[in-house]
Amino acid sequence: QQQVKQSPQSLIVQKGGIPIINCAYENTAFDYFPWYQQFPGKGPALLIAIRPDVSEKKEGRFTISFNKSAKQFSLHIMDSQPGDSATYFCAASRGNQFYFGTGTSLTVIP
Amino acid sequence: GAGVSQTPSNKVTEKGKYVELRCDPISGHTALYWYRQSLGQGPEFLIYFQGTGAADDSGLPNDRFFAVRPEGSVSTLKIQRTERGDSAVYLCASSPAGGGSYNEQFFGPGTRLTVL
Repeated sequence: QQQVKQSPQSLIVQKGGIPIINCAYENTAFDYFPWYQQFPGKGPALLIAIRPDVSEKKEGRFTISFNKSAKQFSLHIMDSQPGDSATYFCAASRGNQFYFGTGTSLTVIP
Repeated sequence: GAGVSQTPSNKVTEKGKYVELRCDPISGHTALYWYRQSLGQGPEFLIYFQGTGAADDSGLPNDRFFAVRPEGSVSTLKIQRTERGDSAVYLCASSPAGGGSYNEQFFGPGTRLTVL
């Protein structure tokens, strides 16, 4: 059973657009929700993370929106750039157990 | 500074063979994780070490998989009697003292295992 469901599977936006990636979870015991960025041939790298007591977090051009009652969270990338083209994974964790979504392949067209 | 390194970067083996995958974590990181990433999927948790001991091995798919970290630093993931379904990228991550939520995991580039 997939602990974290992620959509869409792929996304294409124009430079300057705002791609949005969505994730949903079921286990209310999760207490940490990170987003990772992965380039081909590299391991995932932490982008931004949020705890469930906060509804929004911004770091630079990246924003997480968190809806605890709906058990959903999303990543928004402001003013997207071609260099943002990568695969993005959401995750949810409690303790040392991390569960990843299936990933979203983002392409930003110049 | 040096990040997490994994060797080899690619490993091709035949069905039924034994393989070892190595992970060198960031110096000083006591927590170490192994994940498996199949094509088009997110990383799947395999095992977590805190120091030398396997604190959680609930993600290992079966007894063909085993991992060690004898001195609390380098870890080796061992796969016996490999099967074609074991083909994937095996990722290692390390984290500062304590591991768990809130402590950032730093991932290595992975070892791509292909079982023919």
